Amino acid sequence: QKEVEQNSGPLSVPEGAIASLNCTYSDRGSQSFFWYRQYSGKSPELIMSIYSNGDKEDGRFTAQLNKASQYVSLLIRDSQPSDSATYLCAVNLGASGGSYIPTFGRGTSLIVHP
Amino acid sequence: DAGVTQSPTHLIKTRGQQVTLRCSPKSGHDTVSWYQQALGQGPQFIFQYYEEEERQRGNFPDRFSGHQFPNYSSELNVNALLLGDSALYLCASSFRGPGNTIYFGEGSWLTVV
Repeated sequence: QKEVEQNSGPLSVPEGAIASLNCTYSDRGSQSFFWYRQYSGKSPELIMSIYSNGDKEDGRFTAQLNKASQYVSLLIRDSQPSDSATYLCAVNLGASGGSYIPTFGRGTSLIVHP
Repeated sequence: DAGVTQSPTHLIKTRGQQVTLRCSPKSGHDTVSWYQQALGQGPQFIFQYYEEEERQRGNFPDRFSGHQFPNYSSELNVNALLLGDSALYLCASSFRGPGNTIYFGEGSWLTVV
């Protein structure tokens, strides 16, 4: 069974700290990886996508991908209380007929306290 | 440029009833995927439509069915509703392909009583 795994948390960090969120996946052939943020009662919104090994930075967010170890992570620098949300890792897993199924982990709850 | 739109936003149904949820994809997108998200869980893949056909299906019973129209919009139908079907139903659209990002609508909150 192809899976995407995340620690459900909650991960609690003080305001201004770096929050580190991790995700592992089982399909070694996966090529596309995404992080979504979901506020309580709302739908997921895309934060970042990453396709190549290494780091990708966008403002306070950095996504890191290591395909050999099959993990992807998200770093949030200078964490703010408004960053408190559930962070979902998604991986495009290959399926039959050349399709790709965006598959999600259960999400990690992040709490940033003042 | 309109994003993904879903309707209705909230609805309450009784056990045994049927429900239809609707989705219009983001402009230019041709693939629609449906997800069920129970409280405290990640989105679970129901099925994916492309070129008006169901291309992939997750581990959901036949009570869950769908349709895609020529304008790429889609419907999700659930028959014989159970209490356990209460969840947030998310529609996501994308271009077909391995690297393509999916974008979610606001979701439809279904409560079965």
